[in-house]
Formats: sequence, structure tokens, C-alpha cells
Amino acid sequence: DVKVTQSSRYLVKRTGEKVFLECVQDMDHENMFWYRQDPGLGLRLIYFSYDVKMKEKGDIPEGYSVSREKKERFSLILESASTNQTSMYLCASSYHATRDGYTFGSGTRLTVV
Amino acid sequence: AQSVTQPDIHITVSEGASLELRCNYSYGATPYLFWYVQSPGQGLQLLLKYFSGDTLVQGIKGFEAEFKRSQSSFNLRKPSVHWSDAAEYFCAVGLYNQGGKLIFGQGTELSVKP
Repeated sequence: DVKVTQSSRYLVKRTGEKVFLECVQDMDHENMFWYRQDPGLGLRLIYFSYDVKMKEKGDIPEGYSVSREKKERFSLILESASTNQTSMYLCASSYHATRDGYTFGSGTRLTVV
Repeated sequence: AQSVTQPDIHITVSEGASLELRCNYSYGATPYLFWYVQSPGQGLQLLLKYFSGDTLVQGIKGFEAEFKRSQSSFNLRKPSVHWSDAAEYFCAVGLYNQGGKLIFGQGTELSVKP
């Protein structure tokens, strides 16, 4: 089975800190995605990537950036964390997203204090 | 605008009862359709998917879904719910012209009464 691993299950960070959320997949998937999940708002796409060093903005990219230096790793960066970025962050990967769907990681619950 | 709608935010059923979770989409063509389940504090797991062929699709954990083109619906069903089915369920659609992304519904939270 494809595994998507998010490095932390829980994180607590201070306002203004630079935060890195790491995601690694082990099945040579080209496509990787970052979502945030909030009660009542469902899943909202932050950024996605179809290839190494390639990135595309999703629906809510403000306050975030991403890095994809290697195919298996897709990092989400909060440049200066704010309390409104407290959320569950979900990483996903896919070989062919439309046909196959995504494989999700277990999520990182980030609290910014 | 293209959208995926799950009309029910929260549903409660008794253990052993049947379940139907609703999903409607608004696209011009038949999209790829998916149902995911999310247990508390976990990521999402794929239950089943559909694009073409038999409109009744079987998935894991005893779930099935039926595609109805005339109603633009893809409802998830289970004949007899178990307490372990309590979770949040997401419907999603994918289109080629969306660049390979999936669009998710808002989710339906399922509670199971003993």
C-alpha cells in the first residue's frame, strides 16, 4: 500500500514562528497536495504540485508557501504563523488524482498560540 | 459554478439500521466520483470510486454507492450500520479539466446510537 507520512501528528507553535510541515510518500507519485480542514468548512486546498520544483496555488494560499525539491517530499511552510492558521493539515498524493483519487496522510493538528 | 453538495451535516442512526448519505454534484459531464471516510483524528481513507460501468459500486467495509445521472447524485449506503462506522464521510469529484484535483463536499458526520 502507498504510504503518505506526515512528520508530526500534533504541533504547538507560537505566533510569528516559521513552521514547516513535512509530507513524504513512498510510491513515486507525481502529484502531491496540501489541504487544511476546519469544522464546517470541509477540506480546502492550499497548494499542490504535479512535479519536482513545480507548485500551483490552491484556493487558500495566502500565508503559506511550499517546497518540492524531491519527488517524494512536499513541504508546507507557514512563513509567520498566526492563530487563524490553527487547523488540521492533510497531505495527499496520487499518481492520477482524477482517476485514482488521493492517498492521505494521517494529518497534522497545528495549534498556534 | 462547479460544486459538490452533501446536504446533511450530521446524521444519527441506530446500530443495525440502514444508512444513506447523500451527495450531489453540479458538472456538465459525468465526473469521477469518490467517497472517503475519516475516523476521528485521522486522515481520509478511500471507500469506493466510480467513473463508468455498473452504476452500483461496491466498496470496503460493506459500503456501496449508486450513481444516478438524472439526479446528479452519488449516494453512499450501508444495509446495517456498526458502531465503528461512526466517522465523517466526504464525497469528492474529479474532472480532467480541473488539473487532476479533487473537489470535496463539506462532509457528513455520522453518529451511531447503541
